[in-house]
Parts: sequence; C-alpha cells; structure tokens
Amino acid sequence: NAGVTQTPKFRILKIGQSMTLQCAQDMNHNYMYWYRQDPGMGLKLIYYSVGAGITDKGEVPNGYNVSRSTTEDFPLRLELAAPSQTSVYFCASSDPGTVYGYTFGSGTRLTVV
Amino acid sequence: KNEVEQSPQNLTAQEGEFITINCSYSVGISALHWLQQHPGGGIVSLFMLSSGKKKHGRLIATINIQEKHSSLHITASHPRDSAVYICAYTGNQFYFGTGTSLTVIP
Repeated sequence: NAGVTQTPKFRILKIGQSMTLQCAQDMNHNYMYWYRQDPGMGLKLIYYSVGAGITDKGEVPNGYNVSRSTTEDFPLRLELAAPSQTSVYFCASSDPGTVYGYTFGSGTRLTVV
Repeated sequence: KNEVEQSPQNLTAQEGEFITINCSYSVGISALHWLQQHPGGGIVSLFMLSSGKKKHGRLIATINIQEKHSSLHITASHPRDSAVYICAYTGNQFYFGTGTSLTVIP
C-alpha cells in the first residue's frame, strides 16, 4: 500500500497565483485532513472530511478550499496565494479502528514570494 | 489558548536513559494520539489511545482519562529516537500540542 500520497513535494508560488495540493490515500479511510505547520510551530487543522461529499472547516480555513468527491482524494486549493501561506502542508487520513490512528503524507513545502 | 499542553518542551538525554514526555488536556476526548516528527519533517503516528496503556517496542503510552493526562515513555533511548514528539487529541475539534523536542546523545 502507498498510504497517503501528496504532490507536489515543493512549490514556489508568486503572490496572487493559485494552485492545488493533491492528496490521495489507498487505505479506504473515511477521515481525511489538511494541516499546515509553520516553522517552529505545531500543526494546525485547515479542513477535514469525514467522508466523500462531506467537508468542514478546521482552525485556519481562510484562503483555502477543499473538495471530497471520492473516498481516495482530498485536494486543497489555494486561490490567491499570500506570503502568510508559506508553510509545510500535511495531508493525513485516519480510520478510528486502527491501532496507530493517523497516516500522514510526506508533506508539501510551499513558499509564496 | 492551546487545549493540550506538553512537557517538557525540550529534552536532552544520554543514550540508554528512560525518557518520559507528558501531555495534559482540558476537555473530554474520544482519542489521544502520539506522533513522531523527524528532522526531515515526516510525521509518523505512534499510538492512538482511548484508555489504559499501549506498548510498541521500546515505546509505551499511557492515558488517564479521569486526570486528562497521557505519558509517552521511551525505554533504553537511542540517538535515532531524536525527534519531535507531538501529543494530539480528537474531541469535538482537533488539537495538537506544540511538541517535545528530544535529543538523545550517544
């Protein structure tokens, strides 16, 4: 199993540009999450989804959008990139029934200049 | 205000020492997670706990629901254990502690 796959791994955006961070999981997990981690800080939840067609805001949703058309995919959209969105983005999925809980993607390092 | 507090924030240990990292939270939870983040940035889920104690290799996690407290123990610590350990809970919302940075010196 590949687990949680995030693409791209690195990206530099100019202010005002848009992009989509891709996240896919092959574990049939219902729960999926997007987090951001600023340098030296903890993880903050951006959006989450408890199943296909269902999404909800986390702590820091402003400037982002998500969709969940399938169980496998949970893309994160940045419409008008701002320097404040420079961060490392992690996608994760979970199945409450598993021993270890969460599975994280390897992260996307985004810089907005 | 962060709803989950970890201590210590930084910890340096000699190889072989027994290590304890503590986590306290202030609300009712359905599950508590311990995560490990290595310097390269990757995050690995170590444990998910809703009660009692779990063990995986040299790692042991305990939780006391009444006291709203969890601990992560590392026995016979090794330099490869050097990482940031993050406590997180999922209740009505999702909260992460800022982590405990562990350095194990050979």
